[in-house]
Amino acid sequence: QQPVQSPQAVILREGEDAVINCSSSKALYSVHWYRQKHGEAPVFLMILLKGGEQKGHDKISASFNEKKQQSSLYLTASQLSYSGTYFCGTEFANDYKLSFGAGTTVTVRA
Amino acid sequence: DGGITQSPKYLFRKEGQNVTLSCEQNLNHDAMYWYRQDPGQGLRLIYYSQIVNDFQKGDIAEGYSVSREKKESFPLTVTSAQKNPTAFYLCAARISGGPTEAFFGQGTRLTVV
Repeated sequence: QQPVQSPQAVILREGEDAVINCSSSKALYSVHWYRQKHGEAPVFLMILLKGGEQKGHDKISASFNEKKQQSSLYLTASQLSYSGTYFCGTEFANDYKLSFGAGTTVTVRA
Repeated sequence: DGGITQSPKYLFRKEGQNVTLSCEQNLNHDAMYWYRQDPGQGLRLIYYSQIVNDFQKGDIAEGYSVSREKKESFPLTVTSAQKNPTAFYLCAARISGGPTEAFFGQGTRLTVV
């Protein structure tokens, strides 16, 4: 059961903000966020556990809404280096399966 | 240097042949994963393993097989039964027993002609 990500793609100018959403039809235990640059391996950004905590990584932060089984990734004051494809990964309780969504391609232009 | 090593980076095979992709890790992590990446479809889970001699099918296991005889190695065989084997394959590893960061290899691009 792959999580559903939206939007598929977003184009930003430097300094603009964006939100990427990730949702699941099943109760989540944790949500992971990764970024992949073209031709490279995905790189870990953060993990959120159920409980609605919010985490941050530089000017990239995320939240986890347990009621909606949804996580959102916030790109604030975007920089050129934020370009890439963002993936959310989901885990369920008592299961070490880690499934990823289809990804959101972010392009930040000068 | 700790990490995940996938080899080779590019692999070409003729249709109808089985091919094995290598994944080795020296992180001493228990859990290992294989993903397939196609444009627009994200990372789709093929197989995963939490301990030696045990593995589970992921979301798209048909046409693939794996083994986990050693903690550090998790090879993936793409069999002739896989209808569309041409893709980018990523291996990952992480500490098991809780939600932990996954470390990815650089991937193998398989082309079947």
